[in-house]
Amino acid sequence: EVQLVESGGGLVQPGRSLRLSCTASGFKYDDYAMQWVRQAPGKGLEWVSSINWNSGRIAYADSVKGRFTISRDNAKKSLFLQMNSLRPEDTALYYCVRGCGGECYLVDRWGQGILVTVSS
Amino acid sequence: DIVMTQSPDSLAVSLGERATINCKSSQSVLYSSNNKNFLGWYQQKPGQPPKLLISWASSRESGVPDRFSGSGSGTDFTLTISSLQAEDVAVYYCHQYYGTPPTFGQGTKVEIK
Repeated sequence: EVQLVESGGGLVQPGRSLRLSCTASGFKYDDYAMQWVRQAPGKGLEWVSSINWNSGRIAYADSVKGRFTISRDNAKKSLFLQMNSLRPEDTALYYCVRGCGGECYLVDRWGQGILVTVSS
Repeated sequence: DIVMTQSPDSLAVSLGERATINCKSSQSVLYSSNNKNFLGWYQQKPGQPPKLLISWASSRESGVPDRFSGSGSGTDFTLTISSLQAEDVAVYYCHQYYGTPPTFGQGTKVEIK
């Protein structure tokens, strides 16, 4: 069974940093692109960042470019999101999601999500 | 960026009746080299992550009831629930994965009338 488990969320002050992690199981991790998608409270879905199977192709939403960094460790079946200079508008439930293939960005599996709250 | 616009924002349908959700993209998501539409549909119930229902505009995922169907091509797409059940109450999102950034529609809330 495919499982994606996020960790590292919490309450953080504006301007501070947070690092999200996602541990994958139940599939051959290095065959798949991975992404982060977020959902602000009561709002819709917003793609944040994606990374292909070998970290050779990385993309960011304009809203986080220059502040967030996505990375992966295929040996540890892990995905990361380093979030710097956090803003109140970054408050959201962050989902670790799987693409449908190494270079495919259709989201076919979702984690349960981890809440990030940016507030003073 | 490709903008995805869903209509309506919400709809109320009687049990057993048809529900239709439309999704329009600001540019074509049809990849000509393989004739595939890079369009998916998701269902999100309260307190749960979204669930993929339909990929490639019309391909139903394994385990998804056959009352859910997707259609359309290019820029205009439709998700149809042929006979609404109580468990179908949810928010539905379309999603294009043709371009970067991938984008989602704003969501359509489906309720029971």
